[in-house]
Amino acid sequence: QVQLVQSGAEVKKPGASVKVSCKASGYTFTSYGISWVRQAPGQGLEWMGWISAYNGNTNYAQKLQGRVTMTTDTSTSTAYMELRSLRSDDTAVYYCARLRFLEWSTDYWGQGTLVTVSS
Amino acid sequence: DIVMTQTPLSSPVTLGQPASISCRSSQSLVHSDGNTYLSWLQQRPGQPPRLLIYKISNRFSGVPDRFSGSGAGTDFTLKISRVEAEDVGVYYCMQATQFPQNTFGQGTRLEIK
Repeated sequence: QVQLVQSGAEVKKPGASVKVSCKASGYTFTSYGISWVRQAPGQGLEWMGWISAYNGNTNYAQKLQGRVTMTTDTSTSTAYMELRSLRSDDTAVYYCARLRFLEWSTDYWGQGTLVTVSS
Repeated sequence: DIVMTQTPLSSPVTLGQPASISCRSSQSLVHSDGNTYLSWLQQRPGQPPRLLIYKISNRFSGVPDRFSGSGAGTDFTLKISRVEAEDVGVYYCMQATQFPQNTFGQGTRLEIK
């Protein structure tokens, strides 16, 4: 069965960086993309961007351009999302999700990773 | 950027009764390839989101047939024919037509009366 397992919770200071991992299993990793979505405490979903696991092409939300980098390691079927220059309003649960390019939908989701930014 | 507006923001429903959630986009979601990339997701309390519907009206694998999606252009609707207790949560519409920027609606909280 398709599974996306994310890395554990992180606590970071303002200005630091965080790198969240998302290990995929149960499907051919390079046949799909990975989307990243975050959710601030008590708030709605915010799309961050996606990466093609086939060729590494990426697209990022405009508001995060320059601070976010999404990568994949096809040898381990793992996707990564790095966010730099962290601010307090980056505190959120970060989700990865499998992206189906044919329908542009996200069908399987990771369990989420809480990133807390606090001095 | 396309703005997605959901109504209502909160929907108290009696068990066994129908529920309907509306999602309106600020621009047409018809892509140049003729498809409309509008999805609905459900987020139960304490859980990650779950895909219900993609491309307006296609139910994802394992989704009960009491969930249905409809609409076209800028106006879309998610309907639950008979609400069950497990349907409690927040529902989001999401557009992926405006490449590459996807957008979520603000969410509609479904609760039992």
